[in-house]
Amino acid sequence: GAVVSQHPSRVICKSGTSVKIECRSLDFQATTMFWYRQFPKKSLMLMATSNEGSKATYEQGVEKDKFLINHASLTLSTLTVTSAHPEDSSFYICSARGDTGGYSGNTIYFGEGSWLTVV
Amino acid sequence: AQSVTQLGSHVSVSEGALVLLRCNYSSSVPPYLFWYVQYPNQGLQLLLKYTSAATLVKGINGFEAEFKKSETSFHLTKPSAHMSDAAEYFCAVRGHFGNEKLTFGTGTRLTIIP
Repeated sequence: GAVVSQHPSRVICKSGTSVKIECRSLDFQATTMFWYRQFPKKSLMLMATSNEGSKATYEQGVEKDKFLINHASLTLSTLTVTSAHPEDSSFYICSARGDTGGYSGNTIYFGEGSWLTVV
Repeated sequence: AQSVTQLGSHVSVSEGALVLLRCNYSSSVPPYLFWYVQYPNQGLQLLLKYTSAATLVKGINGFEAEFKKSETSFHLTKPSAHMSDAAEYFCAVRGHFGNEKLTFGTGTRLTIIP
């Protein structure tokens, strides 16, 4: 089946620095990728929708200047947390829509997630 | 706006017993519905999906779910629980073309009692 890979799986960074998380679709092309944030023991909150070659669409309340999303190719989207603070510590999960042709068959595949700890 | 409600944040069943995780949806159009499983410190894995075809959907690991329009439900079941089924389960709804965002329920943590 389709695989989405995230890297790094865990990262610790100092407050005030920036950190980049990569999301790759390994065996399919993904024109659309999604970034979620999950707080401990909570559900997933959609942060933004990333479309290849265009600007990401951010959900209400998500700071676009803080969470920079780039979708430079059909297999790679990146999330950069800029000037990270401890409150940004969370589990970040990406997903990619598998464009299998025929909308009803498209499935969303999730990455393994990335734990960000800001100290 | 579309949404899903998962009844019961925690469910415990004995090994070998029936698993029933409840999900009700709200959508102005026939929705696409999904169940995902999340193991500790991992991402989400698709269990099954409903996309307007058969109302009884079979997924991986012996799980299945039935779409009931009259009850706006999409409950997840498994006839016989296994210890490896212990995880967090999320129901999700997605709209049609132009509204493709997944909206998740709050999740149900399934515990299996030996």
